[in-house]
Amino acid sequence: GNSVTQMEGPVTLSEEAFLTINCTYTATGYPSLFWYVQYPGEGLQLLLKATKADDKGSNKGFEATYRKETTSFHLEKGSVQVSDSAVYFCALWMDSSYKLIFGSGTRLLVRP
Amino acid sequence: NAGVTQTPKFQVLKTGQSMTLQCAQDMNHEYMSWYRQDPGMGLRLIHYSVGAGITDQGEVPNGYNVSRSTTEDFPLRLLSAAPSQTSVYFCASSVQGGSTTEAFFGQGTRLTVV
Repeated sequence: GNSVTQMEGPVTLSEEAFLTINCTYTATGYPSLFWYVQYPGEGLQLLLKATKADDKGSNKGFEATYRKETTSFHLEKGSVQVSDSAVYFCALWMDSSYKLIFGSGTRLLVRP
Repeated sequence: NAGVTQTPKFQVLKTGQSMTLQCAQDMNHEYMSWYRQDPGMGLRLIHYSVGAGITDQGEVPNGYNVSRSTTEDFPLRLLSAAPSQTSVYFCASSVQGGSTTEAFFGQGTRLTVV
């Protein structure tokens, strides 16, 4: 079946450090890929997306590139801020299944 | 602009009790879904609906019922609550599934079954 695997957290970084959160997927076909973010006490909100191979999604300094050859969609940011502390979820959508499937989430803690 | 509204925000139930978690959206979205969020397991899909009158099961549907009589509302029913249903529940909606469009989430309902 379709699934998403994320690196386990928590990830703890100092402010202005470089961030990478790994995400790989398994899917029969060509999914759309997403990163969602959940701030404390809130629901999820879309951070960025990519709908086909080699697309790069970007938003608020975060980037992720859809790599079909490695079935990956790693999230990166060049310089994190304390306000980026949150839980990040990688997700995929398959038109064939009509379901949005999430990874287990990665908690990011950024210290001043 | 309310978006997706879930009620209640918190609930404590005794084992065997029933209740309905409410979800309403004002964006005229066709697709709505329910997830539960458990530590270390991310969000797991319970049920979803592609439009009024149409529902289907997700990954973890046992113990839950849904109906979709209107475009706006998608309630989730627990018929006989069990401690294993202690979780945070999220409702989401989107224009048509999620292939290219954003899914909008409610703020969640934290349910404890004792």
